[in-house]
Amino acid sequence: QVQLQESGPGLVKPSQTLSLTCTVSGGSITSGPYYVTWIRQPAGKGLEYIGRIYTTGSTNYNPSLKSRVTISVDTSKKQFSLRLTSVTAADTAVYFCARAPGGFHYYFDYWGQGKLVTVSS
Amino acid sequence: QSALTQPASVSGSPGQSITISCSGTSNDVGSFNLVSWYQHHPDKGPKLIIFEVSERPSGVSSRFSGSKSGNTASLTISGLQAEDEADYYCCSYAVGSTLVFGGGTKLTVL
Repeated sequence: QVQLQESGPGLVKPSQTLSLTCTVSGGSITSGPYYVTWIRQPAGKGLEYIGRIYTTGSTNYNPSLKSRVTISVDTSKKQFSLRLTSVTAADTAVYFCARAPGGFHYYFDYWGQGKLVTVSS
Repeated sequence: QSALTQPASVSGSPGQSITISCSGTSNDVGSFNLVSWYQHHPDKGPKLIIFEVSERPSGVSSRFSGSKSGNTASLTISGLQAEDEADYYCCSYAVGSTLVFGGGTKLTVL
């Protein structure tokens, strides 16, 4: 059973960089065209697509966040990382990572539990 | 890319059926059969319940079904049960190879 787990600091100061890691266990991320997506949910609001990365390293980002987001992968560690620069209070949210089958399949069959990140001084 | 439009809340009694709509545009829902639906209980990761408009993952109850007409996708839950009470989100592939979610719908089982 594939499992994903988000980790990283729960508190980030304004203007600093938010960094989170998604660790995948219970399956190989290199045996298929999978990709991992980062999604966030501000308190009381809906889900927002941040971006995705394929195991090849190819990425796609939400245009509204593209200038501040970097997603990377370390396949040897089965880890996918999110960096969001110049954060403000508006970036306070629960951040999820989720796996998609890849190819031309754009749905998420495995999700992490989510990591609350608060932006505050 | 604007969020897809969902009703903020819906409700129904046990045993009844409800439908949640997900309205998009010709840049997303209307052009691609790549709409998925997720059930989200608090403090858990969302769960995939419908993919590619109407496909149901293994293990998901047949009480959940999806459809699409034009720029609007729909999720129907039949035979409502107390455990169906949750937030529901639609998601669509969109022009530019991006993805867009709906604002979410809170389902209350009366």
